[in-house]
Amino acid sequence: AQSVTQLDSHVSVSEGTPVLLRCNYSSSYSPSLFWYVQHPNKGLQLLLKYTSAATLVKGINGFEAEFKKSETSFHLTKPSAHMSDAAEYFCVVSVMKTSYDKVIFGPGTSLSVIP
Amino acid sequence: NAGVTQTPKFQVLKTGQSMTLQCAQDMNHEYMSWYRQDPGMGLRLIHYSVGAGITDQGEVPNGYNVSRSTTEDFPLRLLSAAPSQTSVYFCASRNTGYYEGETQYFGPGTRLLVL
Repeated sequence: AQSVTQLDSHVSVSEGTPVLLRCNYSSSYSPSLFWYVQHPNKGLQLLLKYTSAATLVKGINGFEAEFKKSETSFHLTKPSAHMSDAAEYFCVVSVMKTSYDKVIFGPGTSLSVIP
Repeated sequence: NAGVTQTPKFQVLKTGQSMTLQCAQDMNHEYMSWYRQDPGMGLRLIHYSVGAGITDQGEVPNGYNVSRSTTEDFPLRLLSAAPSQTSVYFCASRNTGYYEGETQYFGPGTRLLVL
């Protein structure tokens, strides 16, 4: 069975300081991993994805994530937080089946950025 | 290219009323799905479709019906709304086929309040 754990329901950082949003997954298969961001009253936007190529994945807006198979982790980082980064972030696992993809969303981490 | 569109953006229903949430995509994607988003629970899959005329249940299908008569449209029907169906509903689409890490594209969401 697949599952996704986001270790922090809420993270607060000061503007200009690093961001770390943690994600651990469980999967019997080789998963694809995604991070999505949702700003207030907006839809979901893809930040980045891992698909068994390079383990360090760079996304939009300066975010990146590193896939660590031994730790079953896919943590999201950004060197310097900006006020516009305040949003909800979802870690997602996707496993291809024969006719559909099993997509599991984590519960989300709310990021606050303090001026 | 509008991507994935959803209507309405917001709807208030009384218990027992019926309604249809519309979803359309112009990317010629075969795979479409409906999710509901509830606080602290991430997104949960309601129904999905791998092509016109083919639909199947997801994680939380009870109280919802779907049909897929065209590639572009995938409406979600609530036959008799209940307060437990108060949620934000997201439609998504992607290509099918065996491609690792195919990205899902999400609509802007429909906020539904059932009184």
